[in-house]
Amino acid sequence: KAGVTQTPRYLIKTRGQQVTLSCSPISGHRSVSWYQQTPGQGLQFLFEYFSETQRNKGNFPGRFSGRQFSNSRSEMNVSTLELGDSALYLCASSLGQTSTGELFFGEGSRLTVL
Amino acid sequence: GESVGLHLPTLSVQEGDNSIINCAYSNSASDYFIWYKQESGKGPQFIIDIRSNMDKRQGQRVTVLLNKTVKHLSLQIAATQPGDSAVYFCAERDNNNDMRFGAGTRLTVKP
Repeated sequence: KAGVTQTPRYLIKTRGQQVTLSCSPISGHRSVSWYQQTPGQGLQFLFEYFSETQRNKGNFPGRFSGRQFSNSRSEMNVSTLELGDSALYLCASSLGQTSTGELFFGEGSRLTVL
Repeated sequence: GESVGLHLPTLSVQEGDNSIINCAYSNSASDYFIWYKQESGKGPQFIIDIRSNMDKRQGQRVTVLLNKTVKHLSLQIAATQPGDSAVYFCAERDNNNDMRFGAGTRLTVKP
């Protein structure tokens, strides 16, 4: 069974640009959540989607957005990039809503903003 | 504010010894706790979880202990192996379904 797949694995952008990251969950998993990981702040929750609906949102500005498609694949978008957005963005999937069950993480998309 | 934190940022143990990684939390409304392991260049991997109606749960070579009185969570790894070297995170989920992670403890296993 394939794991959680995130693309791209690495990308470099400049300030002001926007970026879209993609996450394909494990087959059959309906819940996808996104996290930002930085050395200074650790792992921080961005948002969670279940059956194409955003179920929960972390404390991030509106520049961070996401969506989930009918096949459970998810994308997150960051607009007007800032230097501080440089981070590892992790996606996790779970069978049901993430309030129960274990999360399966992808290997992340490492974003560098110059 | 409420937070999830770790007592020690690094832990070094001898191969074969037992490891104990600690985590403090302050949100008494949290009812579900998880330990993750993150190896270099990889995403976090689920190790074990525990609900607040339990105080101990055992897995293969790992045990999680929950002390709700002092809001303390620990992960015990028996007979630590070099492959256990990684960063370990605790996480809590509160009654708003918000997931918060601790800063992480780097475990180094010396041969």
